Amino acid sequence: SQQGEEDPQALSIQEGENATMNCSYKTSINNLQWYRQNSGRGLVHLILIRSNEREKHSGRLRVTLDTSKKSSSLLITASRAADTASYFCATRETSGSRLTFGEGTQLTVNP
Amino acid sequence: GAVVSQHPSWVICKSGTSVKIECRSLDFQATTMFWYRQFPKQSLMLMATSNEGSKATYEQGVEKDKFLINHASLTLSTLTVTSAHPEDSSFYICSATGQGSTWEKLFFGSGTQLSVL
Repeated sequence: SQQGEEDPQALSIQEGENATMNCSYKTSINNLQWYRQNSGRGLVHLILIRSNEREKHSGRLRVTLDTSKKSSSLLITASRAADTASYFCATRETSGSRLTFGEGTQLTVNP
Repeated sequence: GAVVSQHPSWVICKSGTSVKIECRSLDFQATTMFWYRQFPKQSLMLMATSNEGSKATYEQGVEKDKFLINHASLTLSTLTVTSAHPEDSSFYICSATGQGSTWEKLFFGSGTQLSVL
């Protein structure tokens, strides 16, 4: 079952604006990861944040993790039309090895 | 980076036929491979987990006799949809984890769009 819930389900912004997506989960986790999926393609790993980390950066990406609220956010700064894709969070539980994916956020960046 | 190749990218078949999808790790040894199913605008649904040389572990509700998974080597896993029916039409994606520093991430194939007529 999918434990990750993401909001918003869809987000439409203009190029240059920032995009923020949120993810909530229910169980204790070892790490949380964000993936990107272009339409009709596989997923690409973006960034991983461990349960003992609170914030992580990678290029234009900034991820935060609040384990007390069981939530994470992905911020894409200075968005580009090429950032248009679906973004999924995935959690790795402390008791298991597999990843559980959230429902995803469809981001559209208008040129 | 690690590359996972999935073939075919799309397949159209008649109801009742079987379809085989291949997933290969090209530049690393994939100790574990995962098979997912995805419906339009929805998330990934894990179907099964396979480890090289052992039987696949299927998720609840997934028929193991219908979705045959073989992971015969550290670089190849196959999913065979047996006696496919229109309700099996979907996007199937494989992913793999490696060893060492890559084990925590998943590397995905590009997916296979299956359409059963």
